[in-house]
Amino acid sequence: AQSVAQPEDQVNVAEGNPLTVKCTYSVSGNPYLFWYVQYPNRGLQFLLKYITGDNLVKGSYGFEAEFNKSQTSFHLKKPSALVSDSALYFCAVRVADSGYSTLTFGKGTMLLVSP
Amino acid sequence: DAGVTQSPTHLIKTRGQQVTLRCSPKSGHDTVSWYQQALGQGPQFIFQYYEEEERQRGNFPDRFSGHQFPNYSSELNVNALLLGDSALYLCASSLRTYNEQFFGPGTRLTVL
Repeated sequence: AQSVAQPEDQVNVAEGNPLTVKCTYSVSGNPYLFWYVQYPNRGLQFLLKYITGDNLVKGSYGFEAEFNKSQTSFHLKKPSALVSDSALYFCAVRVADSGYSTLTFGKGTMLLVSP
Repeated sequence: DAGVTQSPTHLIKTRGQQVTLRCSPKSGHDTVSWYQQALGQGPQFIFQYYEEEERQRGNFPDRFSGHQFPNYSSELNVNALLLGDSALYLCASSLRTYNEQFFGPGTRLTVL
């Protein structure tokens, strides 16, 4: 079975400061890892994914994430936060090279960026 | 290029009723997956349909059933609604069962 842990229910950061949203995972085999963002009363918007290759993945809106196999982590980062980044962020995992794209999600982390 | 669409946007039902939610996949996609997102939780996988058959199923009771039509659109049916079925139901489509999923805006179901 696979699982995702997002240890922080909420992350608070001031605008202009760097942000990190943490994610650790457990999966049998190699993982594909994803970050999604959700705004109020909206569906999920794709931010970035790790499939293979470079451990540092760059995505939409200036976000990036670093895959760390030894720590089984995939933390989301941004060098300078914007107020408009305030939203709910989900980390997700699936087994690489499986026949199915089904995702297992974490419970989410609310990011609040203050002006 | 239309993305994934879902209908209705919102729905209110009472306990014991039945509900049908609908999803049209992104153009070119042939696989539809359904997820339930309860308040304060991450989405949980319900099932996936490909070639009009259920290919994979999560840990949901038989009250949850689905269907896929020849045009690849899909329905999610929930019978004997419980208060705990109140959630945002997300549809995701992909090309085949193993490629990246694209999510729709969701249907908010409230059970009273």
